[in-house]
Amino acid sequence: SQTIHQWPATLVQPVGSPLSLECTVEGTSNPNLYWYRQAAGRGLQLLFYSVGIGQISSEVPQNLSASRPQDRQFILSSKKLLLSDSGFYLCAWSVGTSGLGQYFGPGTRLTVL
Amino acid sequence: GQQLNQSPQSMFIQEGEDVSMNCTSSSIFNTWLWYKQDPGEGPVLLIALYKAGELTSNGRLTAQFGITRKDSFLNISASIPSDVGIYFCAGLTGNQFYFGTGTSLTVIP
Repeated sequence: SQTIHQWPATLVQPVGSPLSLECTVEGTSNPNLYWYRQAAGRGLQLLFYSVGIGQISSEVPQNLSASRPQDRQFILSSKKLLLSDSGFYLCAWSVGTSGLGQYFGPGTRLTVL
Repeated sequence: GQQLNQSPQSMFIQEGEDVSMNCTSSSIFNTWLWYKQDPGEGPVLLIALYKAGELTSNGRLTAQFGITRKDSFLNISASIPSDVGIYFCAGLTGNQFYFGTGTSLTVIP
């Protein structure tokens, strides 16, 4: 069966510090991968998605970047965090365009102080 | 991006009551999905719908893919306290999933 992992689960960082959140998927090959941000427990905002290694599409201009160094690894980064980067970050995977659904990781709660 | 309008925004119901919520879009989707999110956790897929008119059940949950392909409905029968959470609809087109703004459900014992 497929599983998706995210870490860390929670993170408190000062403004201006770097960020690296990691997401890995097990039990599937060549998944589509997604990063979302959720503010105040509502509304999922798509940040990035990837259909393959090294292929990243960005949905909104922002202070963040994403990379996919391996087939089942997706990383969300920032060189300098802003207060507005606080939120709940969710990684998700899907099987291409099959429409079988999108499956979410447990999330990372980021607080920027 | 595409907009999915989900309603109601929040619901407060008595345990045992039935619940209905819906999601509409100005665009056509090929797949509709319904998720539930518990506080501090990632959304969990409840039901996936693949054809216009399709009606699918998962226990006490029933969802329908609208005939126009621009809407979907989720019903929960005989609600229980553990149904509390935020319910999201999502539509799939191409490689992208578009999410509704969520319906917050509170069940009063």
